[in-house]
Amino acid sequence: GAGVSQSPSNKVTEKGKDVELRCDPISGHTALYWYRQSLGQGLEFLIYFQGNSAPDKSGLPSDRFSAERTGGSVSTLTIQRTQQEDSAVYLCASSLESGMETQYFGPGTRLLVL
Amino acid sequence: AQRVTQPEKLLSVFKGAPVELKCNYSYSGSPELFWYVQYSRQRLQLLLRHISRESIKGFTADLNKGETSFHLKKPFAQEEDSAMYYCALKGTGYSTLTFGKGTMLLVSP
Repeated sequence: GAGVSQSPSNKVTEKGKDVELRCDPISGHTALYWYRQSLGQGLEFLIYFQGNSAPDKSGLPSDRFSAERTGGSVSTLTIQRTQQEDSAVYLCASSLESGMETQYFGPGTRLLVL
Repeated sequence: AQRVTQPEKLLSVFKGAPVELKCNYSYSGSPELFWYVQYSRQRLQLLLRHISRESIKGFTADLNKGETSFHLKKPFAQEEDSAMYYCALKGTGYSTLTFGKGTMLLVSP
């Protein structure tokens, strides 16, 4: 079946602009995660959604970052007033439910802020 | 606090040589440990998890609570093992993973 998909695959933007990154999880997966992958920094947790519960936003690096998940499916990560240090690969993952289940990752969105 | 340390950024070995990718963790409770792998131009995927006690693609990893380690081992490396390997931890009551910074494994012919 279809895996996690993300769009766009690449995004180049100018410093100060807002960007929106989209994630389509695997159908039926209730848990959705956003991570940031930076060179030399590994994977950094950003935000986690589980069903209709309030999201865990503890990993968001600043108030310029926000995310929503509509209808328990598609999620959008928004970065406002982008900075050069926001340049990274943004990964989305989903799992059947939180806990023991394997997280399945999307291909990522490569963001470059000029 | 949860922390995962992968001390080697790059590990280079020859085909057929044994390989060990180191992972140490810091967590006060009973963690779940995972190894994820990302091959060139592919998405990140689960390689193995300690609770499964399985061998995947010849790789094994044993959780050593005394040394707080979860090193990934393979007796005979293959060129197709070249990839980025991430160790990850999930703490009790947590739903998210804490990843290490990753180790790039290069297997030369």
